[in-house]
Amino acid sequence: TAGITQAPTSQILAAGRSMTLRCTQDMRHNAMYWYRQDLGLGLRLIHYSNTAGTTGKGEVPDGYSVSRANTDDFPLTLASAVPSQTSVYFCASSDTPESQPQHFGDGTRLSIL
Amino acid sequence: GQNIDQPTEMTATEGAIVQINCTYQTSGFNGLFWYQQHAGEAPTFLSYNVLDGLEEKGRFSSFLSRSKGYSYLLLKELQMKDSASYLCAVQEGSYIPTFGRGTSLIVHP
Repeated sequence: TAGITQAPTSQILAAGRSMTLRCTQDMRHNAMYWYRQDLGLGLRLIHYSNTAGTTGKGEVPDGYSVSRANTDDFPLTLASAVPSQTSVYFCASSDTPESQPQHFGDGTRLSIL
Repeated sequence: GQNIDQPTEMTATEGAIVQINCTYQTSGFNGLFWYQQHAGEAPTFLSYNVLDGLEEKGRFSSFLSRSKGYSYLLLKELQMKDSASYLCAVQEGSYIPTFGRGTSLIVHP
């Protein structure tokens, strides 16, 4: 089935460790996004990429990095995890951001201890 | 920047009609999306408005007034499965949507 695949589904990570959340889409969408969702705060944009080879910072980029080497993959890296990064992380993509909706992956539930 | 406001929680009865409002302040409006998110699941697209007026899709309709910075999502003939969070997302000039905090809708028998 076409769509967005995120891995892992969930993870418990010790503070100070690094972690890469994977996101792959097979819809050939140009734009991809990473959000975190916390209770009472809604979805907040971490980083985005309008096309392969370009990335941009969202509302809450500190502590996170991304790369977009090709159209399909958009990994999110936490270089040195902190407990405040405990959250549910959603990857999304859209074909043409101007008018097309975002398609979301199933999310990664990350706990930093 | 944007300021997007939605009610935190609403309750309604099965079979009834409910209206979920979203107000926003933005310097350059380029579109508004509504998404549905069931607990523990990913958001899914419901509707898109860029011009003033009503967009109807089956039991769900969405309305936009750009001059008032206002949108609503109307759900008719409510079903238990409509219990979910409803997210309003507004696009500015960059076309990157900013999400409101969502409205949790509880449908009871």
